[in-house]
Amino acid sequence: DVKVTQSSRYLVKRTGEKVFLECVQDMDHENMFWYRQDPGLGLRLIYFSYDVKMKEKGDIPEGYSVSREKKERFSLILESASTNQTSMYLCASSLTVLDGEQFFGPGTRLTVL
Amino acid sequence: GQSLEQPSEVTAVEGAIVQINCTYQTSGFYGLSWYQQHDGGAPTFLSYNALDGLEETGRFSSFLSRSDSYGYLLLQELQMKDSASYFCAVNSGNTPLVFGKGTRLSVIA
Repeated sequence: DVKVTQSSRYLVKRTGEKVFLECVQDMDHENMFWYRQDPGLGLRLIYFSYDVKMKEKGDIPEGYSVSREKKERFSLILESASTNQTSMYLCASSLTVLDGEQFFGPGTRLTVL
Repeated sequence: GQSLEQPSEVTAVEGAIVQINCTYQTSGFYGLSWYQQHDGGAPTFLSYNALDGLEETGRFSSFLSRSDSYGYLLLQELQMKDSASYFCAVNSGNTPLVFGKGTRLSVIA
């Protein structure tokens, strides 16, 4: 059974803290994605990676960075968390970048106080 | 850029049929996907249409018209468990999926 896991389901951080969100997939997929989901706005792409050590900006990369040191692991980093980064963060993976089918993790609900 | 339009909310009766429409504007269109997301859950893939026509998978069907930049998801024999949000998404050129804002389906008895 294919699986995408995320390090935390719920996270509470303070403004200015550095935050790491981890995502691991066991499907040997080349491509991994980070989205944030806010009510009424759907899923918005933050960053994606099509290979180890490769990354591409999505639609809303400001305030975020990513790291992909191993094929199965894709990390999202908030260098200095702000209250407007309070959101649901979803990680996904797919076989190809153009794949219509992505596999999502359960999400991390991040609250920044 | 790319944009997708889908209704924000739809309500339907248990046992009935409901259609959720999606129109899109994009360049270099490759295909249209549909995802289901229950409250508190992750989006799960339902279907993908790259060619015109209807694709059927059990109670769910998805349709695409490339010339009209339009597609829909059809849910038949609605069940209470179908209450969820449904997202259409397009991929084009060399960019990953772009998602619509989602349609919240409420199935009532």
